[in-house]
Amino acid sequence: QVQLQQWGAGLLKPSETLSLTCAVYGGSFNGYYWTWIRQPPGKGLQWIGEISHGGTINYNPSLKSRVTLSVDTSKNQFSLRMTSVTAADTAFYYCARGPSDSRPYPDFFDTWGQRTLVTVSS
Amino acid sequence: QSVLTQPPSVSAAPGQKVTISCSGSSSNIGNKYVYVSWYQQLPGTAPKLLIYDNNKRPSAIPVRFSGSKSGTSATLGITGLQPGDEADYYCGTWDDSLSTVVFGGGTKLTVL
Repeated sequence: QVQLQQWGAGLLKPSETLSLTCAVYGGSFNGYYWTWIRQPPGKGLQWIGEISHGGTINYNPSLKSRVTLSVDTSKNQFSLRMTSVTAADTAFYYCARGPSDSRPYPDFFDTWGQRTLVTVSS
Repeated sequence: QSVLTQPPSVSAAPGQKVTISCSGSSSNIGNKYVYVSWYQQLPGTAPKLLIYDNNKRPSAIPVRFSGSKSGTSATLGITGLQPGDEADYYCGTWDDSLSTVVFGGGTKLTVL
């Protein structure tokens, strides 16, 4: 049974860089797209982007200029970095497993991390 | 404003059936090459996958939950409602025009 454990700084000032990491336990790291999704408190879900174990990356176009995804296959971990954060980036951030990387689209997420609240405030 | 449109809330009595709609367009739900998924989010927890590939259930999900897709809309059905089903429900899929995953705004289910 695959499990995802995520961590990172929870309180940032405007213009700082958000950094989160997600570790994958109990399952294969290969063959899937690994994803970041966020949810402002009381609001809906927003897909941030995905990365495969081989380093293939797809970003949400609306966030692409500020987001970098990376992967460390030696540790079965993947990371999110978002620059120049503002209050609008305040949200619960989730890492999640997408479908097989042989599928054309990342159209479902079957395993989720426990979430991290990131608050951006001066 | 979400790309996929869901009703903000639905309600029904225990034991009854409820459906939640998810309306999109030809660039997402109406695209025959993409599939719709549904998630249940209990308060304070991460979303949980209920339905994938329009109508398939992960092994741990009860048969009370079902999904369908027709044209540019999808529907989640829940039968035999239980108090524990009270949650927010989200639909999601890929949008070919936006080149991103899109979600509905969520539907709050109340079991009266």
